Amino acid sequence: SQKIEQNSEALNIQEGKTATLTCNYTNYSPAYLQWYRQDPGRGPVFLLLIRENEKEKRKERLKVTFDTTLKQSLFHITASQPADSATYLCALGLGGSASKIIFGSGTRLSIRP
Amino acid sequence: DAGVIQSPRHEVTEMGQEVTLRCKPISGHDYLFWYRQTMMRGLELLIYFNNNVPIDDSGMPEDRFSAKMPNASFSTLKIQPSEPRDSAVYFCASKGRSTYNEQFFGPGTRLTVL
Repeated sequence: SQKIEQNSEALNIQEGKTATLTCNYTNYSPAYLQWYRQDPGRGPVFLLLIRENEKEKRKERLKVTFDTTLKQSLFHITASQPADSATYLCALGLGGSASKIIFGSGTRLSIRP
Repeated sequence: DAGVIQSPRHEVTEMGQEVTLRCKPISGHDYLFWYRQTMMRGLELLIYFNNNVPIDDSGMPEDRFSAKMPNASFSTLKIQPSEPRDSAVYFCASKGRSTYNEQFFGPGTRLTVL
């Protein structure tokens, strides 16, 4: 069966450390993978996209890797801050036009001061 | 731009009643998506439109759900009759021509069916 799994429901880390979130998938062949941030009571907000032929993408303190052999993406936040606390969702881009995306269940990240 | 607009923000109704959720996408965007989010099932794609035409409705749970997009600036999701298990947050998102294929989400409608 097709599955998208994010490593844990919740992750708690100390401010200043690097947070690493994992997204694994089975029985999908995504054209790309995206990461979104969702704050309580709000809709998801797009952060990064990485395509199937790319290994790594960076944006400020964010880094995403994509391993299509392992069927896994890692999402890193370096020098984490309490303001980074939120739920992070990975999403696979599918379909001929790759317009349809399927979301993972999310990881709730808490950064303690 | 005001972003994606959804109404109402909250809806409480009784089982058996008809519910209509509304969405105004970002001007110029040619894709519109309806999602449902629950604790148990996460964020699920229900249906999406391209240039006002439904492309994939495989996520629509059953015939009680229907969606329309009469023009580029308006879409509705209707549930008739509603049931308690339909209680969830419903999001609308839109997407334009972009390198990143990012979807822009509205604030959601929290639906409670009693």
